[in-house]
Amino acid sequence: QKEVEQNSGPLSVPEGAIASLNCTYSDRGSQSFFWYRQYSGKSPELIMFIYSNGDKEDGRFTAQLNKASQYVSLLIRDSQPSDSATYLCAVIKEGSQGNLIFGKGTKLSVKP
Amino acid sequence: NAGVTQTPKFQVLKTGQSMTLQCAQDMNHNSMYWYRQDPGMGLRLIYYSASEGTTDKGEVPNGYNVSRLNKREFSLRLESAAPSQTSVYFCASGTGSYQPQHFGDGTRLSIL
Repeated sequence: QKEVEQNSGPLSVPEGAIASLNCTYSDRGSQSFFWYRQYSGKSPELIMFIYSNGDKEDGRFTAQLNKASQYVSLLIRDSQPSDSATYLCAVIKEGSQGNLIFGKGTKLSVKP
Repeated sequence: NAGVTQTPKFQVLKTGQSMTLQCAQDMNHNSMYWYRQDPGMGLRLIYYSASEGTTDKGEVPNGYNVSRLNKREFSLRLESAAPSQTSVYFCASGTGSYQPQHFGDGTRLSIL
């Protein structure tokens, strides 16, 4: 079982819709959870992080964490064509000295 | 506000040649990391340095060496480049523990 799993996509949504990106992780000791956005040919850019169960909102982005189900998601409201990118889920396991374990990413395409 | 700076941005090597990738951060972070990103494989940790004076292997360390020159700088060396090391290399820094990491722009390395 992969440590961090994401659907590779592509996920296609119309402009203005809600995009829902999902991620599961295998280690129950995982402590921190991150969403990075990566445009083609560019470096990963941090957009959200969450440490506690529940929701965390920042503008059009909401991160949701459910530790019992080992599941973290990212919702993008009012999706824009500029949101088209690959979204990387990453976790830090307990005792790992802060090392990120990445999923392979979900490619999102927002159609005008 | 430079953040994490990597040099060079692009490099082409011949098999067997050596080179050093440079990384510097100006965010006063304790921890620094080197990743490689390959199609279909996601981001994988090569080496990391939790603090000045320490380095440790990550998931894919074979064929690489690192040096944490001071708190700001962390270099990655390929002693004898192989075509399998063709990749995009990212340096990142962070405060360590369970906090986010911030990435440089990457080095695109091709080995012929």
